Amino acid sequence: GENVEQHPSTLSVQEGDSAVIKCTYSDSASNYFPWYKQELGKGPQLIIDIRSNVGEKKDQRIAVTLNKTAKHFSLHITETQPEDSAVYFCAVPSNAGGTSYGKLTFGQGTILTVHP
Amino acid sequence: EAGVAQSPRYKIIEKRQSVAFWCNPISGHATLYWYQQILGQGPKLLIQFQNNGVVDDSQLPKDRFSAERLKGVDSTLKIQPAKLEDSAVYLCASSSPVGEGYTFGSGTRLTVV
Repeated sequence: GENVEQHPSTLSVQEGDSAVIKCTYSDSASNYFPWYKQELGKGPQLIIDIRSNVGEKKDQRIAVTLNKTAKHFSLHITETQPEDSAVYFCAVPSNAGGTSYGKLTFGQGTILTVHP
Repeated sequence: EAGVAQSPRYKIIEKRQSVAFWCNPISGHATLYWYQQILGQGPKLLIQFQNNGVVDDSQLPKDRFSAERLKGVDSTLKIQPAKLEDSAVYLCASSSPVGEGYTFGSGTRLTVV
């Protein structure tokens, strides 16, 4: 099955700094790469995703880059704010049963703390 | 658009008791998932439904866990009997077949004592 490794497990930055979280995966057939943000007491929320036909995607202060050759993708958050503090998960799907998006295998999570 | 609804939000039971969780997905989402999230870990898939049929239940401990999705809409996940290691957050998610990505509910936090 799919193996997903996420680093670092914790990340502490000062407000305004940038944060980068990296994930590596094992299945070269994967073609969709989402990132989720999970706040305390809530379910994971999709914040950005990228498909394998592009190398980078930006949405305001967040961006995701993909290197399919090396089988890794990264989340970049610029100008961090205290409200960015949360647990971030990468995930990689395996298409099951013909659905567009089947089972997601999640990374172990990164606890991001942004200090004011 | 309403999100994925789950209940209850919290549940505390003794080991060997039974418990059930309920999920109402986003209207029109054919695919429904149950994930287990143990503290400090990423969610792990328990079962995936497409309409009312099971697509993947390979990681569901079938000796104690069961799930159903009546009429292809709401779903229930049951544990009987519960073990201490079942303490976790149980997340329900749904997705559209056209590939909007997952939407998760807020989860049910289960504590088995």
